[in-house]
Amino acid sequence: AAGVIQSPRHLIKEKRETATLKCYPIPRHDTVYWYQQGPGQDPQFLISFYEKMQSDKGSIPDRFSAQQFSDYHSELNMSSLELGDSALYFCASSWMTSGSANEQFFGPGTRLTVL
Amino acid sequence: GESVGLHLPTLSVQEGDNSIINCAYSNSASDYFIWYKQESGKGPQFIIDIRSNMDKRQGQRVTVLLNKTVKHLSLQIAATQPGDSAVYFCAENKRMNTGFQKLVFGTGTRLLVSP
Repeated sequence: AAGVIQSPRHLIKEKRETATLKCYPIPRHDTVYWYQQGPGQDPQFLISFYEKMQSDKGSIPDRFSAQQFSDYHSELNMSSLELGDSALYFCASSWMTSGSANEQFFGPGTRLTVL
Repeated sequence: GESVGLHLPTLSVQEGDNSIINCAYSNSASDYFIWYKQESGKGPQFIIDIRSNMDKRQGQRVTVLLNKTVKHLSLQIAATQPGDSAVYFCAENKRMNTGFQKLVFGTGTRLLVSP
């Protein structure tokens, strides 16, 4: 079965650079979530989108932005990178049924290292 | 504030033993919990969920117990196998007024299974 696809899987950047992470949800899923997981930490919710509109916002820094496109894939844009941004970034997708969200399926993550 | 947390950071068991991973939550209004398994380098994988109208739910070799009185839930893994070695997270599937949801993860417990 198709799963959530994230690219790139690994990314190394310098401080103050920018990075773009991509997420391709499971086909027919209309909702995308982004989570950040620091070393030894639990995943923290960043932001989510439903039908290309932002549906919820968590602890996402102002330096980060995200969007969902017409084909439902999503991109997380990160600017002015800081050492503390080094983390695993997970994307999850789900689908809405009768106004209620279903189970989230996670992608393999993108490991971002900021030097 | 809200929190979902685990009591023990690491649990070591022998192959064939039963494992119990505990989790406490603070929000008495929480009504939907999910257990995730995260293997090294991979995204969280759904194991089992439970809603607040249930005290117990069983899956294949796994059982989740929910005690709403003390705001505690546990994941029991029967006949633990080396392949069960991973970090386990409990998460609250927090539903917003909009119908959208976000996952609030607790601190993970690392399960180590020795042959």
